[in-house]
Amino acid sequence: DAGVTQSPTHLIKTRGQQVTLRCSPKSGHDTVSWYQQALGQGPQFIFQYYEEEERQRGNFPDRFSGHQFPNYSSELNVNALLLGDSALYLCASSLDRDRAPRSPLHFGNGTRLTVT
Amino acid sequence: GQNIDQPTEMTATEGAIVQINCTYQTSGFNGLFWYQQHAGEAPTFLSYNVLDGLEEKGRFSSFLSRSKGYSYLLLKELQMKDSASYLCAVRDRGGGSYIPTFGRGTSLIVHP
Repeated sequence: DAGVTQSPTHLIKTRGQQVTLRCSPKSGHDTVSWYQQALGQGPQFIFQYYEEEERQRGNFPDRFSGHQFPNYSSELNVNALLLGDSALYLCASSLDRDRAPRSPLHFGNGTRLTVT
Repeated sequence: GQNIDQPTEMTATEGAIVQINCTYQTSGFNGLFWYQQHAGEAPTFLSYNVLDGLEEKGRFSSFLSRSKGYSYLLLKELQMKDSASYLCAVRDRGGGSYIPTFGRGTSLIVHP
């Protein structure tokens, strides 16, 4: 049973460029959340997708956008990269909160993004 | 939003017991999670508390007091592999979001 998988594992980009990160949720999960984790900090919520729609969004600018596909996989896009966007980007999947309110987040190993 | 506070770093000896505290402030509490994160790896789920009291799971236990906005994670019989960051996350139903908010994490160092 595959857990949450993310690609790529590492990425180096230049300021101003655009990046797309990908995530496949754990089998049976239908909800995908994206988090940004700076070094020495806890994960910060970016947004959550359910039924191919953005259900909730954290305090991140519009440069951060996403998508969920019919097979529940998801993408995170970041435009006009800034140095401060350098971080570990974590994808987490779970069951829909209404069907399984105790369902914890299951995290992927993340994508380490470095912006130079 | 929530204000979650946990110690930045703790050290303990192999075989000992350590308690990692987490305090929080939230208007619509809907559960508290503990996660373990080894360096360079994904956070992994340890425990979930939504009612007051102690939840025990092997060497790990988690306690919650909703009236005090307080939780702790208790690790017994510490092993070297327990060296990791421990993240406290609080779920709030404010605005219907139910999105867990994470603390900064407590880095636990276990030494021989």
